[in-house]
Order: sequence, then structure tokens, then C-alpha cells
Amino acid sequence: QITLKESGPTQVKPTQTLTLTCTFSGFSLSTSGVGVGWIRQPPGKALEWLALIYWDDDERYSPSLKSRLTITKDTSNNQVVLTMTNMDPVDTATYYCAHRRPRTSAFDYWGQGTLVTVSS
Amino acid sequence: QSVLTQPPSASGTPGQRVTISCSGSSSNIGSHSVVWYQQLPGTAPKLLIYSNNQRPSGVPDRFSGSRSGTSASLAISGLQSEDEADYYCAAWIDSLNGYVFGTGTNVAVL
Repeated sequence: QITLKESGPTQVKPTQTLTLTCTFSGFSLSTSGVGVGWIRQPPGKALEWLALIYWDDDERYSPSLKSRLTITKDTSNNQVVLTMTNMDPVDTATYYCAHRRPRTSAFDYWGQGTLVTVSS
Repeated sequence: QSVLTQPPSASGTPGQRVTISCSGSSSNIGSHSVVWYQQLPGTAPKLLIYSNNQRPSGVPDRFSGSRSGTSASLAISGLQSEDEADYYCAAWIDSLNGYVFGTGTNVAVL
């Protein structure tokens, strides 16, 4: 059974760096074809893909946010970490991590999401 | 603004068939498979359709997907009250070297 759970601060101040951790179980990020992505959703708005890391350390980022994002994996602890620099109130959103279904472009298992508010 | 365009809303009565469109271009839908997600109020998205028309285990066959050229569609037949949700299409975009979600469609059951 695959599960994912996001953790991190619920509030950050403008200009600060956000660090979110996705802790997962039921799969290994060292298995060929596996990936974990991050997606966010501002209140009342659409989903926005942020980043994706594959079993082979290949990293992909949203072009519009690439300069602010870093995604890393800790295979031994079954975690994926996303950092986003220079946070702004427009970055207020629910942040989700999700498991990428191998050999597809689909995210088939999602965490419950964590709401991050950017406010001074 | 997403490169995948969906109608903001759709509706139907119980038992009806509702279709949601997702319009893209040759560099996204035209060359990559489409995924559909369902997001019930206050919950995380759920995978509904992958590879244009494949249903994951557990998804009712009332949900079906198709792709033609640079557009894709999600059809919900036998609409039920529990289908009230937001629906998003998504696809990998070569030109962006990234993944994009559609603008989303809210489905209401009247």
C-alpha cells in the first residue's frame, strides 16, 4: 500500500525559504521508473505542477519556478524534500507530493496536502 | 495561464452523460498522453484516467477518456451526486520540459 505525507511549516514570512518533506511508504525511490512529484494549489485555484524527481536522480522543474526550486531525495529514509526560496504571499497554497505511476505521466497516489501560508 | 484549456463548469442531472473537454496543441496533447484527475471538495486529487483512456483499478467504468488530435475528453455516464467535483486534465509538455495541469472544470449535479 502506497502512502505519502507532506510535512513542514504552516506559515512562512515573505522572502524566507520554504522546506517541505514528503515521507512515503509502499515503494522505493531506487526502483527503476519510480518518481515523486510536488504539486501545489492556491486557495480556490487550479493545480500547478512544481517539480519531479526520478529514481535515477533526474530532476524536472516548472520553468516558471525553476530558479526558486530544488528537489532532492533521501532513498534510505524514503523522503523527498522540496525547497522554495524567496517566498511571497502569492505562494500561499496547499502543497501536495505524489507518486508517479511508472511508464506513465500520471500521479497515482497523493499525499493529503499541507497548507502553507506566506504572511508577515 | 495553463496551455491546456478546459471549460470552467459543466452540469447534468442524475443519470445523464456529461463530457468535459481539454484543448491543447500539437506539442502537448498532440504528442503526449493525457491524464485526468478528480478532486472532491476539500480533498487531494485522485487519478481517474491515464494514458488517454486507461482506468486505474477501482475507478468505475462510468468514467472514460479519449483523445483526438490536440484535444481530449472525459465522459461521465450515469452521472451521480458523488461525481460533483473539480476535474483536471494534465499532460507532459515537451516545449516546457515539464508537466501541466488544465484550467479545471467544476461539475455540478443538478
